[in-house]
Amino acid sequence: EVQLVQSGAEVKKPGESLKISCKGSGYSFTNYWIGWVRQMPGKGLEWMGIIYPGDSDTRYSPSFQGQVTISADKSTSTAYLQWSSLKASDSATYYCARSSIVGATGSYFDYWGQGTLVTVSS
Amino acid sequence: DIQMTQSPSSLSASVGDRVTITCRASQGISNYLAWYQQKPGKVPKLLIYAASTLQSGVPSRFSGSGSGTDFTLTISSLQPEDVATYYCQKYYSVPLTFGGGTKVEI
Repeated sequence: EVQLVQSGAEVKKPGESLKISCKGSGYSFTNYWIGWVRQMPGKGLEWMGIIYPGDSDTRYSPSFQGQVTISADKSTSTAYLQWSSLKASDSATYYCARSSIVGATGSYFDYWGQGTLVTVSS
Repeated sequence: DIQMTQSPSSLSASVGDRVTITCRASQGISNYLAWYQQKPGKVPKLLIYAASTLQSGVPSRFSGSGSGTDFTLTISSLQPEDVATYYCQKYYSVPLTFGGGTKVEI
């Protein structure tokens, strides 16, 4: 059974750093792109970027380029999303999701993590 | 970048009604279009991919159509459990942009 299990909710202060995780299981982690999606409170889904764990090839949305870093550790089948200096506007739920087509950047998401709520407040 | 525009942003319909949601791409994307359903407080769920292919396990009252720039998601007979926000997503090329969402209420 394919599963993506994300790390737990975080409460941080502005300016702090953060790294959240997404652990894949039940499939060949290195062969499928993993994406990150932001959902701000009461708002829609925003595509942030994707990573290919096989070689760490990463693509970002222009809106998020330079604001976050996406990485992956294929030895632990885990993808990461990190911030070096959080802002209050980063408060949101972040989902990881698996691209459905082996090796393809252009693919829809067939499996989703449960979401990680990040709250940034002084 | 290609923009995805959904309409309407919200709608209210009765049980048993036929509901249609539209998604328009700012450039042609062939049939590289997916639809997701997100129920309140839940994780998004894939409904349709390749514009018209139903994901396994999705009720047949859901259907998708379109190609190029104009796409539709249709619920043939709205059920109470269909209350959700629906999103389209293009996957023709990165960035894999989502539409703004359509909230469906009863």
